[in-house]
Amino acid sequence: KNEVEQSPQNLTAQEGEFITINCSYSVGISALHWLQQHPGGGIVSLFMLSSGKKKHGRLIATINIQEKHSSLHITASHPRDSAVYICAGIPSNYKLTFGKGTLLTVNP
Amino acid sequence: NAGVTQTPKFQVLKTGQSMTLQCAQDMNHNSMYWYRQDPGMGLRLIYYSASEGTTDKGEVPNGYNVSRLNKREFSLRLESAAPSQTSVYFCASLPGPNSNQPQHFGDGTRLSIL
Repeated sequence: KNEVEQSPQNLTAQEGEFITINCSYSVGISALHWLQQHPGGGIVSLFMLSSGKKKHGRLIATINIQEKHSSLHITASHPRDSAVYICAGIPSNYKLTFGKGTLLTVNP
Repeated sequence: NAGVTQTPKFQVLKTGQSMTLQCAQDMNHNSMYWYRQDPGMGLRLIYYSASEGTTDKGEVPNGYNVSRLNKREFSLRLESAAPSQTSVYFCASLPGPNSNQPQHFGDGTRLSIL
């Protein structure tokens, strides 16, 4: 069993819908990372958070350290949001553990 | 532009050949990482260097060696390439422990072993 689990693995939405991607982890971490990767593209950091909530534009990330759970929300989704979203747990030794990613497709 | 630079971007090798993937960062980060990304497997850590002068094995180190040449540069070497090493390789850096800054990734190296 992977130490970092993401759900769903695949998600298809219509433009404008509210999107939620979930990440659960079983390892002890000091922070969690949300990353975005467009098809054939590089990897971009969206958020790094250790508690509470962070917001950047239409993207919101939340984390509950006690429940070992984080969510990434996208409001008013757009086709350009189509990408793979990856969460990664950051333990104290900085040896990151990654989820397998969620493939999001937003149709116009 | 500041960031993580990987070279080459693409490479095709024959089985048994050797090569070194180069990575450099200009953000004065302490920690550097090498990952491979395969379909359905997600990102897997090959080796990492928590700070200059140290290197440690990750999840999938077999068939690879690394060198932390200085604070900026962290290279990954395939001594005798095998088809199973066909993958996309990413280098990344972090400021280091006790930092709240995100990890920065290079653009990746697409490596095919024939």
